[in-house]
Amino acid sequence: QSVLTQPPSASGTPGQRVTISCSGSSSNIGSNYVYWYQQLPGTAPKLLIYRNNQRPSGVPDRFSGSKSGTSASLAISGLRSEDEADYYCAAWDDSLVVFGGGTKLTVL
Amino acid sequence: QVQLVQSGAEVKKPGASVNVSCKASGYTFTGYYVHWLRQAPGQGLEWIGWINPNSGGTNYAQKCQGRVTMTRDTSISTAYMELSSLRSDDTAVYYCARARVHSAEIDYWGQGTLVTVSS
Repeated sequence: QSVLTQPPSASGTPGQRVTISCSGSSSNIGSNYVYWYQQLPGTAPKLLIYRNNQRPSGVPDRFSGSKSGTSASLAISGLRSEDEADYYCAAWDDSLVVFGGGTKLTVL
Repeated sequence: QVQLVQSGAEVKKPGASVNVSCKASGYTFTGYYVHWLRQAPGQGLEWIGWINPNSGGTNYAQKCQGRVTMTRDTSISTAYMELSSLRSDDTAVYYCARARVHSAEIDYWGQGTLVTVSS
């Protein structure tokens, strides 16, 4: 049972916009930044969004993050086949790091 | 360039211990925390804990507390994670990763080390 709650799966067709939600509590998302990680099959995770809505260099602006209260979401616009991956949200929580259970995104 | 290079795959029997190393390069080792995470086959990421290479301070997830020990050798910019009393459900790919101090911003990851626990 993960501390942060994500839907186990999401899907969309090429070109569509999809969103993935992440729900937490006042001790994690409610009082700290949210981070998003993308894990392509067979590879280590990669930082996708930091500090709620910032993109590291090299991450396309098709990816965006937002946070409100104790929830956050990741949006992917102009969906592409290479976006098919697992996505995880994470946050700091009283000197620990908590993760969501991950969302498997399928591009139909 | 920042790199985290982990030790190779391990096969251990139940009840044994495993020690995974993570050699950092390309940045000031003591300026960032090193986190350890794992991923069981077909499962999600599980955070295990972090070590502050500057002070040696650690913090572990409750699930592994009592069985996990994280250490570091600043002279060779290497962090270590030892997990004892191994069980079959410890079988996973173990990752070390770099993060900013007191943050979940994990910006560089090791390549992963497969630890298999089997009799």
